[in-house]
Amino acid sequence: QVQLQESGPGLVKPSGTLSLTCAVSGGSISSNNWWIWVRQPPGKGLEWIGEIYHSGSTNYNPSLKSRLTISVDMSKNQFSLKLSSVTAADTAVYYCARGQPYYYDYWGQGTLVTVSP
Amino acid sequence: DIQMTQSPSTLSASVGDRVTITCRASQSISSWLAWYQQKPGKAPNLLIYKASSLESGVPPRFSGSGSGTEFTLTINSLQPDDFATYFCQQYNNFPYTFGQGTNLEIK
Repeated sequence: QVQLQESGPGLVKPSGTLSLTCAVSGGSISSNNWWIWVRQPPGKGLEWIGEIYHSGSTNYNPSLKSRLTISVDMSKNQFSLKLSSVTAADTAVYYCARGQPYYYDYWGQGTLVTVSP
Repeated sequence: DIQMTQSPSTLSASVGDRVTITCRASQSISSWLAWYQQKPGKAPNLLIYKASSLESGVPPRFSGSGSGTEFTLTINSLQPDDFATYFCQQYNNFPYTFGQGTNLEIK
């Protein structure tokens, strides 16, 4: 059973960088899957952030692309998200997920990141 | 970006009812659509992919249909566990986008 677990600071200051890691267990990040980040502002809908393949290929949401970096660490079986120059609008629950390849069959539990001074 | 519009936003129903949720795309997405169920404080759970394919382990009372720009999720004989929020997602074009959600509540 594949499991994903997000980790990272729950509070980030405005103009700072939001950094999260998703650890994958029960499966290999080098499998034929894309690895996804999705976020959900409190009480709102889902926003697709971007995805990465184990080769390092990425696809980003254009609305975030200038601030976004998604990377993969095959030695640790994990992938990461960095979002720079954050504002209150980036406050959300951030989920990582496995793409199969374009719909998402395994998800992390989600982690709330609040952007506040 | 492709806009996904779900209707209704809120749906009140009773246990045993049959309900239908609609998802409309702003342009054709062929059959590249998934449906998810989300409960409060939990991650979404995949129900349907490719518009009508049932994910393994999902009860057969869930079904999906449609192609092009109009899609439906039908739940037959609602069970207490089905009261949740449902989202559609298109994966035809980047950026992939989700509907705003349909909150299925107990009448």
